[in-house]
Amino acid sequence: KAGVTQTPRYLIKTRGQQVTLSCSPISGHRSVSWYQQTPGQGLQFLFEYFSETQRNKGNFPGRFSGRQFSNSRSEMNVSTLELGDSALYLCASSLGEGLYVYGYTFGSGTRLTVV
Amino acid sequence: AQKITQTQPGMFVQEKEAVTLDCTYDTSDQSYGLFWYKQPSSGEMIFLIYQGSYDEQNATEGRYSLNFQKARKSANLVISASQLGDSAMYFCAMRGPGGKLTFGQGTILTVHP
Repeated sequence: KAGVTQTPRYLIKTRGQQVTLSCSPISGHRSVSWYQQTPGQGLQFLFEYFSETQRNKGNFPGRFSGRQFSNSRSEMNVSTLELGDSALYLCASSLGEGLYVYGYTFGSGTRLTVV
Repeated sequence: AQKITQTQPGMFVQEKEAVTLDCTYDTSDQSYGLFWYKQPSSGEMIFLIYQGSYDEQNATEGRYSLNFQKARKSANLVISASQLGDSAMYFCAMRGPGGKLTFGQGTILTVHP
């Protein structure tokens, strides 16, 4: 079966612009979570969606937002980009949510560079 | 708050030998899950192994085993018979009740021929 698909793989944006990243989970998975990975801060949780509802949110400014559609696909949006937003953004899908998750499948990530 | 500590920034191992990657965790939750992921240079996070907090036996998946010592709050990954393709970054992570994963800083493993 198809894995988690993230598009685009690479992105270069200018400071002040906004960007939308997409994540298609494994078929049947209803939970999607997003992570930011930088050399300095490591992997940090952004948010988690289950059945179109945001269930959990990390400690990021309001410029970072997301949503999930009825087909479980999720999008993440970052407005007013800053240089520090340059990172690898990883999406993970899982069958269950919360305590009932025994495995997360990650996509290949979107590498965002802000210039 | 949950915390994962990986104290080994880098590890070296000879091909075909076993290696242990250390992971300690801190949480006040009674129910949690512990994961190990491998991240090659391509960036994708590859799931290796899972251990639930109530599992009494150590998890094993092929060449990977998790040495779970609950009282010491440690969840070390043991890779047996290392292969060149095992060279990558390895992350230990914990899932709490909310479903969020907290990651350690990672250990870079280099396998020498």
